[in-house]
Amino acid sequence: NAGVTQTPKFQVLKTGQSMTLQCAQDMNHNSMYWYRQDPGMGLRLIYYSASEGTTDKGEVPNGYNVSRLNKREFSLRLESAAPSQTSVYFCASIARLAGGNEQYFGPGTRLTVT
Amino acid sequence: AQTVTQSQPEMSVQEAETVTLSCTYDTSESDYYLFWYKQPPSRQMILVIRQEAYKQQNATENRFSVNFQKAAKSFSLKISDSQLGDAAMYFCAYRSKAAGNKLTFGGGTRVLVKP
Repeated sequence: NAGVTQTPKFQVLKTGQSMTLQCAQDMNHNSMYWYRQDPGMGLRLIYYSASEGTTDKGEVPNGYNVSRLNKREFSLRLESAAPSQTSVYFCASIARLAGGNEQYFGPGTRLTVT
Repeated sequence: AQTVTQSQPEMSVQEAETVTLSCTYDTSESDYYLFWYKQPPSRQMILVIRQEAYKQQNATENRFSVNFQKAAKSFSLKISDSQLGDAAMYFCAYRSKAAGNKLTFGGGTRVLVKP
């Protein structure tokens, strides 16, 4: 049981390049989330998927797209990377919408855009 | 929209002493959850403690306890008998019961533990 996994762990992109961050969870959770964490700040929600087949914007969605490929996987795509997207990206999942269930976080992906 | 504020960028504590981290939040809702997360240098987000707004009793997890003041919208974390392993960033977070389990985080407080 690996929990929430993210790939890659580190990535350097040039401005204008595209890439996809992968996230997978093996806990059979319904809801998945993508956050970004900028230096000295808390996490901010980019997109989330309440259940397979649905996605919704969070607080800072501009410049990103997501795909809930199946119940296990939730990917985040940067179509044309910008230096402002330099950040650490966290994926998280939770079992169901109701209740005080803990969000399980992945280890993060450190992305640098030059 | 909810906001979460942590007014202390950094706190220092002597090993074995007690430190209290402040958190205030703004919401118009009456039922919600509050959390404290620890983020060590490894960047892993670790849940420390959670509180349900409708429960008046303050949550406790071993050396960690909270002081939840609902009317004042305050949710402080007390770390007792501080250990070197407690050194980390600590984030306060709010979750609405009605909003898809999205977490709203504060800006964080760095805790330094002096031996």
